Amino acid sequence: GAVVSQHPSRVICKSGTSVKIECRSLDFQATTMFWYRQFPKQSLMLMATSNEGSKATYEQGVEKDKFLINHASLTLSTLTVTSAHPEDSSFYICSARASSGGTNTGELFFGEGSRLTVL
Amino acid sequence: AQSVTQLGSHVSVSEGALVLLRCNYSSSVPPYLFWYVQYPNQGLQLLLKYTTGATLVKGINGFEAEFKKSETSFHLTKPSAHMSDAAEYFCAVSGDTGRRALTFGSGTRLQVQP
Repeated sequence: GAVVSQHPSRVICKSGTSVKIECRSLDFQATTMFWYRQFPKQSLMLMATSNEGSKATYEQGVEKDKFLINHASLTLSTLTVTSAHPEDSSFYICSARASSGGTNTGELFFGEGSRLTVL
Repeated sequence: AQSVTQLGSHVSVSEGALVLLRCNYSSSVPPYLFWYVQYPNQGLQLLLKYTTGATLVKGINGFEAEFKKSETSFHLTKPSAHMSDAAEYFCAVSGDTGRRALTFGSGTRLQVQP
């Protein structure tokens, strides 16, 4: 099946620094990617919808200046956590929806997740 | 608007016993329904999905689920649990022909006892 890769899988940073997480669709094009956040032992909460070539749409309560999302190509979306604080520590998961025309049209695929720890 | 309720945050079964994980949904449009499995520190793997057509859906690893519109349910079952089934399971719903983001339930942790 289609593969979505996230990098890094784990990152530890100091408070106040910025961290970038990449989400790549390896063998398909994705016009839409979704970013989720998962707290320990909890479900996934949608943070934002990322559309290639346009601004991301953020869910209510998610600070867009805190969580910068860029979707510059059909295979890459990035989430940058700016001025990270310990409360930003979480598991971040991206998902990508295959664009029309391929064998996986409309399918949604998830990355492996990125665990962020802010000290 | 959509929502998902998973009854039971923890389910424990014996190896070889029936697995039943409950999921009820609400959706203002015909729903697309999904079950995902998550192993520790990993992403989500799709077990099965219902879009249209046959209401009994078979997925990977011997799991299946039945869409019951009258009960707004999409319970996940497996006839015989295996130790490797121990994981977190999430039910999710998507409306609008499935093109929107998924709304997830709170998850159910399945434990399999030897």
